[in-house]
Formats: sequence, C-alpha cells, structure tokens
Amino acid sequence: EPEVTQTPSHQVTQMGQEVILRCVPISNHLYFYWYRQILGQKVEFLVSFYNNEISEKSEIFDDQFSVERPDGSNFTLKIRSTKLEDSAMYFCASNRQGIGQGANVLTFGAGSRLTVL
Amino acid sequence: SQQGEEDPQALSIQEGENATMNCSYKTSINNLQWYRQNSGRGLVHLILIRSNEREKHSGRLRVTLDTSKKSSSLLITASRAADTASYFCALLNQAGTALIFGKGTTLSVSS
Repeated sequence: EPEVTQTPSHQVTQMGQEVILRCVPISNHLYFYWYRQILGQKVEFLVSFYNNEISEKSEIFDDQFSVERPDGSNFTLKIRSTKLEDSAMYFCASNRQGIGQGANVLTFGAGSRLTVL
Repeated sequence: SQQGEEDPQALSIQEGENATMNCSYKTSINNLQWYRQNSGRGLVHLILIRSNEREKHSGRLRVTLDTSKKSSSLLITASRAADTASYFCALLNQAGTALIFGKGTTLSVSS
C-alpha cells in the first residue's frame, strides 16, 4: 500500500538552528499538508500546499516556517530559527483531490520528532 | 473554530469489552472522520461518515452521527490489546480548507 515517507524520524537541534523536515507524499497525490503535535497534546494543522503554493495556513505557521516542493517528489518544512517550543512531532499528509472537494481523507506519514535543546 | 471534542479523554477496558468514544462539534458539517494514532506514530484514517448518514460500519468499528445533537460516536466491539491507541475525530474548518483534529480519546485495552 502506498505510504507517505518522512525523514528524519528524529532530529535533535540547538535553539536558533535551522531545521528541514522532509516528506515524500504518495506519488499521485496533489495536495500536501503539515501538522504538528506537541507531546501529549492535540494534532494541530500548520499548512496546506497545492500547485506549488500555500493554500491555507494556521496562526502557528508564522514567518519562521516555510514549505517547499523542491522537486517532483519531496515536500519540505523548514523552520528557520528553532525555539524550544518547536519541539514536537511533525506529520506530513497528502491526498489526491484536496480537502474541500469532498474527498478529504488524509494519508499521514509516521512523523518526524524534533527536539530543540 | 470548528473542532471536535472527544469524550472521554481516556478509557481503560479489558479485552473483549466494547469501547465507545464520542465527539461533539459546534457548527454544521459535510462529513466527520475518525482517525487512530498508535503511540509515536502517524494518524491512520478509520472511517468517514457523511452528514446524510446516521450509521456506518467497518469491521469491528461502528460510527454513528446525530447532526441534530452535533455529535458522533465511535464504537469498537470486542476490543483487542492492539486497539490500544488514541482516537481522534476530524472535521473541516469553517472555510473548508483544512482538516482539524480534536484532542483525542486515549484507549487502553488490557489483556
């Protein structure tokens, strides 16, 4: 069964450093998403991306965050200058037809755990 | 903002028992989804129920939707230790552009 693949599975970084989290969505999916889950808390929407543009972003997704699809397969989340409170699991998700088109089931990756020291 | 609230926050049962968790929401919906998250893993879609449906089954899962009460329930019958996980309901945000998750119900099934 097709999977969403995320790397790294775990990254430890120093506060203020830049981090790039990578995702390979399912190959025929066109819509991509990042979510965040701070330990023990709810899964929070960060951003959605389609056709090389951000479709929607939450209040959490401020100027220190950016997303990119640098090639035909990867979808990345960059955090420019990490803070302690960025420590969380980051989940990538994708679907073929997009959230608002009645087919809003998402396929999630296993997540990247980010620890900021 | 549109977000489901699951109840209870935590549920502990014995293998073989049924587990019921509920999700309440505030505004009208087109559909509602349930996802499962095993510890330290990503979310896995379980079932989607549309606003014109009242009940839906998938294996040992039964989901109901009461749009008049703005609530849904997920029933897992004959639970197994492998059902131990967190369960989330998910709804579209008001603009219909993002899927929003509740805080989840943590289910523990002991053998």
